[in-house]
Amino acid sequence: DAGVIQSPRHEVTEMGQEVTLRCKPISGHDYLFWYRQTMMRGLELLIYFNNNVPIDDSGMPEDRFSAKMPNASFSTLKIQPSEPRDSAVYFCASSFNLSPLHFGNGTRLTVT
Amino acid sequence: GEDVEQSLFLSVREGDSSVINCTYTDSSSTYLYWYKQEPGAGLQLLTYIFSNMDMKQDQRLTVLLNKKDKHLSLRIADTQTGDSAIYFCAESRRGSQGNLIFGKGTKLSVKP
Repeated sequence: DAGVIQSPRHEVTEMGQEVTLRCKPISGHDYLFWYRQTMMRGLELLIYFNNNVPIDDSGMPEDRFSAKMPNASFSTLKIQPSEPRDSAVYFCASSFNLSPLHFGNGTRLTVT
Repeated sequence: GEDVEQSLFLSVREGDSSVINCTYTDSSSTYLYWYKQEPGAGLQLLTYIFSNMDMKQDQRLTVLLNKKDKHLSLRIADTQTGDSAIYFCAESRRGSQGNLIFGKGTKLSVKP
């Protein structure tokens, strides 16, 4: 199994631009999570899906952030417009039922 | 206070044992996890323990759980330089299936 695949690995963009982060979960997993990691705040859960349905989006910072999961093998996290304070590493993770989370290698986002 | 707390740094000599500690607050925790993060990578599951267990051993890793004190520890025997990484403690809670609450991580430095 290839594991959780995220793209791109690095993204550098200017303030105000739209950013789209992508994730392919492990095949057969029914939960998908988006986390954000910063030095100051550590790992924060942004949103998670179960069977492609958003369950809890209370961690999404504000309306500039949106996430979709159109099918079981793909999810996107979009930031529009991006701001410098959005700079962080964004992780996608997936799991099956109560099994442990499996993480992707993350997307390092830099907004200048 | 924080839901899951860990000390931020630990330094040991190669060959010694490392003990990383974690405290959590929610008595409904079902599983407790240890993840390892190497630079530039995602979080890798090391081991986990169900809340009705008090110990789990897996090769060089020993997990101890004191449910009364809500204290979790990870002992790494014969620590190697390749064990240098950030170690995250995480808990999952009954009713929040699959949603993990992470500590801020303990950076383990292994000196030769």
